[in-house]
Amino acid sequence: GAVVSQHPSRVICKSGTSVKIECRSLDFQATTMFWYRQFPKQSLMLMATSNEGSKATYEQGVEKDKFLINHASLTLSTLTVTSAHPEDSSFYICSAKVPRTTDTQYFGPGTRLTVL
Amino acid sequence: AQSVTQLGSHVSVSEGALVLLRCNYSSSVPPYLFWYVQYPNQGLQLLLKYTTGATLVKGINGFEAEFKKSETSFHLTKPSAHMSDAAEYFCAVSDQTGANNLFFGTGTRLTVIP
Repeated sequence: GAVVSQHPSRVICKSGTSVKIECRSLDFQATTMFWYRQFPKQSLMLMATSNEGSKATYEQGVEKDKFLINHASLTLSTLTVTSAHPEDSSFYICSAKVPRTTDTQYFGPGTRLTVL
Repeated sequence: AQSVTQLGSHVSVSEGALVLLRCNYSSSVPPYLFWYVQYPNQGLQLLLKYTTGATLVKGINGFEAEFKKSETSFHLTKPSAHMSDAAEYFCAVSDQTGANNLFFGTGTRLTVIP
């Protein structure tokens, strides 16, 4: 149980375009999902917390107008990188918490974004 | 505030040897502690976690970790390394208030030498 998927696994786009990444909880309903960013050979940095039916909470330094997060259902959260630039190239990972638990986050397989 | 320090960004062990990956944490409140493993180009898989109760926690793939409050440590061990254990390992901490945030260490890359 507690499987999280992401789509696409890899995406290459041109500078200035927008890219949408989907995060789905496959066998449970997730009221809270998280979006992380991981640079090469570095750790995960939390970008934002996504709550179903409400606005996402962004971490300090993360541009909410550039990284649009939508959590429209209990099984789907999306991250849209708007007007992408080469410096946005990174590995984006989502996670979800199982409802009525306070500890464990289950992670998706990640999406590698390359902006040319 | 919470933080995690993983000593040693790279650890190499021989196949069959003991694996020891170090993690020290800083937390102003009782912590929840986690170890995750990441294989190349993949997401994170939970190895084990400590929330409350027994301080020696057993996880998947033969790994275990011991919460030592006096040392603020949560080191990960495995008695005998296998080639398939080669990966990146992350220690993480969150608090027990139900807050959402996981704070990750910088990771330790484990290499297993045949």
